[in-house]
Amino acid sequence: GEDVEQSLFLSVREGDSSVINCTYTDSSSTYLYWYKQEPGAGLQLLTYIFSNMDMKQDQRLTVLLNKKDKHLSLRIADTQTGDSAIYFCAETPPNDYKLSFGAGTTVTVRA
Amino acid sequence: DAGVIQSPRHEVTEMGQEVTLRCKPISGHNSLFWYRQTMMRGLELLIYFNNNVPIDDSGMPEDRFSAKMPNASFSTLKIQPSEPRDSAVYFCASRDRGLNEQFFGPGTRLTVL
Repeated sequence: GEDVEQSLFLSVREGDSSVINCTYTDSSSTYLYWYKQEPGAGLQLLTYIFSNMDMKQDQRLTVLLNKKDKHLSLRIADTQTGDSAIYFCAETPPNDYKLSFGAGTTVTVRA
Repeated sequence: DAGVIQSPRHEVTEMGQEVTLRCKPISGHNSLFWYRQTMMRGLELLIYFNNNVPIDDSGMPEDRFSAKMPNASFSTLKIQPSEPRDSAVYFCASRDRGLNEQFFGPGTRLTVL
């Protein structure tokens, strides 16, 4: 969606950290999400953050939210080959059902 | 639960033919979404049902597209007549009441020749 922007590609060496960035425009967004899409599969919710939070950590995943700059990032620690996928950032405004997706970042993990 | 089920997984058809895509949401979920994914336009919401009622169909591209949800466990997306530009992956997703997470099906890859 035009309201959510992401870089299209990221290449990372196995074992390194990956950082995927996203910017959004709707300052009223309540929830921000990271979805993962593996080849030939649907989207799987990885994690989400509520807009009143700055950070959320879940095992190898760390989400950082800078609400002032409308910037969201996803850090994957110790990136593995199974992390190769397309990662989508998405937002939803309060009391709304619509998810606005970014174009997706294709992450390639090289040995 | 088996998750959201979509059929067929792949469909190849000729221009002008009718295409029907099917979706079975997760049992107990009261919201259902149809999305289309293309390289050019990314993920687009086509239509949203809540308690089997279409709430927002503003994303349906044109009259050739129609969607129904006759009961809580089944929905269809129909394209009649189909055109090559309809070629895309169509996803169905469902959501439980009061929760934010949408659970996606594996998608139907449609190719219109």
